[in-house]
Amino acid sequence: DIQMTQSPSSLSASVGDEVTISCQASQDINSFLNWYQQRPGKAPKVLIYDASHLETGVPSRFSGSGSGTDFTFTITSLQPEDIATYYCQQYNSLPITFGQGTRLETK
Amino acid sequence: QVQLQESGPGLVKSSQTLSLTCSVSGGPVSSGSFHWNWIRQPAGKGLEWIGRVKTDGSTKYNPSLEGRVTMSLDTSKNQFSLNLSSVTAADTAVYYCARARVYFYNYMDVWGEGTTVIVSS
Repeated sequence: DIQMTQSPSSLSASVGDEVTISCQASQDINSFLNWYQQRPGKAPKVLIYDASHLETGVPSRFSGSGSGTDFTFTITSLQPEDIATYYCQQYNSLPITFGQGTRLETK
Repeated sequence: QVQLQESGPGLVKSSQTLSLTCSVSGGPVSSGSFHWNWIRQPAGKGLEWIGRVKTDGSTKYNPSLEGRVTMSLDTSKNQFSLNLSSVTAADTAVYYCARARVYFYNYMDVWGEGTTVIVSS
């Protein structure tokens, strides 16, 4: 299985801050990586697919980059509604695997 | 707009079989552009992919659950299902069904709200 490692595991930031989350794959996964947002008590929601493509309807303050084994997810100008846990997920090979999640909190 | 809804018992006894159904509305499960997935999440923990069923009925499962899991698609009822046998307390989780868009890219774009399953002894 491909292991996905996110850092940090938790993060505290203020409204308006820029936030960056990293995701590292245990082997080359090309750009076959997605990012999901999960608010408390809710199902995950896709924000970024194929490493850098913004899903329709998702605000442009969210972005993703990377390829191979190292990926980055960024929120520019953090908003209160962005408080959630974020997961990366690879689909280069089965089984599909997720990172352990990054919990984003406000200062 | 496609919507997914999980249903099934919220309480299952240890060693028995967990059975869940995901009802799909707003679009056919027979569309070849999608795969139909199950994912679970123990309380306070991360997401684990259980497996998926394609529109031709073929399946792929997480090896960690291989031998205990079966999935199927029912196009007449526009739904798909999950069976997980010999459950233990470790199978207690919120279970989600999700549609994966697989044309060009591959990502889970529609999710059910999730259903909590507790395994009791």
